[in-house]
Amino acid sequence: GENVEQHPSTLSVQEGDSAVIKCTYSDSASNYFPWYKQELGKRPQLIIDIRSNVGEKKDQRIAVTLNKTAKHFSLHITETQPEDSAVYFCAAIGNFNKFYFGSGTKLNVKP
Amino acid sequence: NAGVTQTPKFQVLKTGQSMTLQCAQDMNHEYMSWYRQDPGMGLRLIHYSVGAGITDQGEVPNGYNVSRSTTEDFPLRLLSAAPSQTSVYFCASSYSAGTGGHGYTFGSGTRLTVV
Repeated sequence: GENVEQHPSTLSVQEGDSAVIKCTYSDSASNYFPWYKQELGKRPQLIIDIRSNVGEKKDQRIAVTLNKTAKHFSLHITETQPEDSAVYFCAAIGNFNKFYFGSGTKLNVKP
Repeated sequence: NAGVTQTPKFQVLKTGQSMTLQCAQDMNHEYMSWYRQDPGMGLRLIHYSVGAGITDQGEVPNGYNVSRSTTEDFPLRLLSAAPSQTSVYFCASSYSAGTGGHGYTFGSGTRLTVV
């Protein structure tokens, strides 16, 4: 099945700086890559996604890039704010419609 | 439109007890799934369903059963609870999966403790 690896596991940045979280996947047939934000004690929520026919997608301060050849995709958050502090998960859809999640990145934005 | 509704929010079980975690969605989503979330291990897929009457196993199915008799409901059954099943459980649904690819809507979670 699919294997999704996510790095780093923790990330601490100063408010206003950028944050980058990277994921790799193993199944070349995977074609949909969502990112989720989970605040403490809450449910994961979709923040952005990208499909395999697109190389980059941006939504205000958040962007995702996809390199299908290298099988990796990244989340970029610019001008970070304290409310961006959360755990972020990447995911990939592998064979048989299964979502596979990365292990998560705990982002801490220091004021 | 309530989204994905999970009950209960909290539950304490004794080893060997059985229980059912309920999940219902009112968005006419085809795809439903159950995940468990343990510290440092992300979200691991237990079982999933691509439509009424169709279920399949995920990464960690042992000790859990599911059924999907209607589009709306996807209950998760623990037949004989074990301390290793202490976790936070999330139900999630999606309009579709596969090549179409749509994001999940998650329920609010069930925090289960087995003593």
